Amino acid sequence: EVQLVESGGGLVQPGGSLRLSCAVSGFTLSDHFMDWVRQAPGKGLEWVGRSRNKVENYITQYAASVKGRFTISRDDSKNALFLQMNGLTSEDTAMYYCTRGFFFDWGQGTLVTVAS
Amino acid sequence: QSVLTQPPSVSAAPGQRVTISCSGSRSNIGNNHVSWYQQFPGTAPKVIIYDSNKRPSGIPDRFSASKSGTSATLGITGLQTGDEADYYCGAWDTSLSGELFGGGTKLTVL
Repeated sequence: EVQLVESGGGLVQPGGSLRLSCAVSGFTLSDHFMDWVRQAPGKGLEWVGRSRNKVENYITQYAASVKGRFTISRDDSKNALFLQMNGLTSEDTAMYYCTRGFFFDWGQGTLVTVAS
Repeated sequence: QSVLTQPPSVSAAPGQRVTISCSGSRSNIGNNHVSWYQQFPGTAPKVIIYDSNKRPSGIPDRFSASKSGTSATLGITGLQTGDEADYYCGAWDTSLSGELFGGGTKLTVL
């Protein structure tokens, strides 16, 4: 059974940093594209970024709104995907979801709140 | 502002059929597959259509979808109160090199 479990969310001050983790099980992480998607309270879905699979050299791609501030990485040996978020603003307040394989599977999300 | 345009809301009576549109451009829907997601309040989205018209296992055939040119449509027949949810379309945008989502459509089953 495929499982994606996000963690690391919480309250952070503007300008601060946070690192989200996504623990995966039930599949081989290196075989799959992995994406982060976020959803601000009461709003729609927004793609954050992608980590392509091993065959595609783990190339990362980012939404314009986070490029240069957010970094996606993975540790296939530990079955984990990460989202390092720097320079956070109130606009980054959202539920952050880890997804597998072109959004076929989703985690339950972890809430990030940026406020002073 | 979403580049994929969906109606904010649709409604229909139980047992009826409803459609939800998703309008884009050549760089996204026009040249890439569309997915549709269902989201209940407080839960993660779930894919109900992928590759423009395919259903994952476990998704009833009451849900169907099509794509034509730069637009896509989700159809739900035999509406049930349990279908009340937010529905999102999504497609990769080749020009932006990023995934786009529609703004979401709230389905109300009257």
